[in-house]
Amino acid sequence: AQKVTQAQTEISVVEKEDVTLDCVYETRDTTYYLFWYKQPPSGELVFLIRRNSFDEQNEISGRYSWNFQKSTSSFNFTITASQVVDSAVYFCALSDDYKLSFGAGTTVTVRA
Amino acid sequence: EAGVAQSPRYKIIEKRQSVAFWCNPISGHATLYWYQQILGQGPKLLIQFQNNGVVDDSQLPKDRFSAERLKGVDSTLKIQPAKLEDSAVYLCASIQGAGGYNEQFFGPGTRLTVL
Repeated sequence: AQKVTQAQTEISVVEKEDVTLDCVYETRDTTYYLFWYKQPPSGELVFLIRRNSFDEQNEISGRYSWNFQKSTSSFNFTITASQVVDSAVYFCALSDDYKLSFGAGTTVTVRA
Repeated sequence: EAGVAQSPRYKIIEKRQSVAFWCNPISGHATLYWYQQILGQGPKLLIQFQNNGVVDDSQLPKDRFSAERLKGVDSTLKIQPAKLEDSAVYLCASIQGAGGYNEQFFGPGTRLTVL
């Protein structure tokens, strides 16, 4: 069975601080995909980033970066120089062939 | 390109009543999902369609929930009769293909309150 754990329930930062969101996953599959989604107050989930299980290269995309480590089953996500518009609930998710399993989410509040 | 459409956005009903939600996925997207998101939790998959066939409905409470996608385009999710614990946001999502690597596109959701 797949399981995604986001240990942080809420994070509050002041604008321009960096925010790192932790995600730990469990799966028996050798091929899987990891995602981060953002859910702003409007409610619509928005895709942010994706990683497949064979690519552990960490990347930076604008103010977003991620750290994927298979050895520790972790897929952490960082927002650099946070802005008020980054305030939202962030979900880590794990997919096998077709089914997406979400963590419980981390609420990020960025204060001006 | 239009996104995933859902209606209604909000619904308030009494327990034991019935309710239906509608979803129109992005044009050309073969796979459609319905999720239930209870306050403070991540979305939980209820049912997945590929075209008009059901791929996975293992977590759908079939004694009260039903869903259909008759023409392989839009879909309806129904609850009959509703219980208090059905209060949640019901999200619809779609993808172009069928693989787990595809990003899912989500609609705005329908917030259901059961009194």
